[in-house]
Amino acid sequence: AQSVTQLGSHVSVSEGALVLLRCNYSSSVPPYLFWYVQYPNQGLQLLLKYTSAATLVKGINGFEAEFKKSETSFHLTKPSAHMSDAAEYFCAVTSAGSARQLTFGSGTQLTVLP
Amino acid sequence: EPEVTQTPSHQVTQMGQEVILRCVPISNHLYFYWYRQILGQKVEFLVSFYNNEISEKSEIFDDQFSVERPDGSNFTLKIRSTKLEDSAMYFCASSMGSPCFGPGTRLTVL
Repeated sequence: AQSVTQLGSHVSVSEGALVLLRCNYSSSVPPYLFWYVQYPNQGLQLLLKYTSAATLVKGINGFEAEFKKSETSFHLTKPSAHMSDAAEYFCAVTSAGSARQLTFGSGTQLTVLP
Repeated sequence: EPEVTQTPSHQVTQMGQEVILRCVPISNHLYFYWYRQILGQKVEFLVSFYNNEISEKSEIFDDQFSVERPDGSNFTLKIRSTKLEDSAMYFCASSMGSPCFGPGTRLTVL
């Protein structure tokens, strides 16, 4: 069984500030981990993924995430927030070798303040 | 860049009616999925489809639901006898590795 917990349903940061969105997972087998972004009235866009290679993963739009097995975490960061980063962010997990069924977290709404 | 497309973008139906949601996956992908997101809730897995058959399905995906790949390009989700609680955003996805999601179909059941 797999699960994902995203701490903080709403996060607000000032433009130019660090973005940190938290994700913790539970998986009985080695996980594959994903971050997706959803802009208003749009679908889910893949930001980045971890699939057991490098633990620090770089994605699109300047985002990155670090897989920490000891902490069962996969937090998403961006050094400097931009207004266009305002969106909902979802962490998801699947098992290596599965049919790629994703289990999603409940999402974090990011607000960027001018 | 290739993308998953879905039609219609918004579907309104009466309770008890049947609806078919359509998806065109990315052409060289082999795995196809349906997910749904009830307003304000998590994105939930419904079903995965590979090699012309269902490979996994969730508890949500009961006899009311069916999927089909009627030709080489389309992937459909049929919901029979819709209920009010079927109102949600339905996302299609396809993959060779990481799932690529379509823009969704918002289903409203009245």
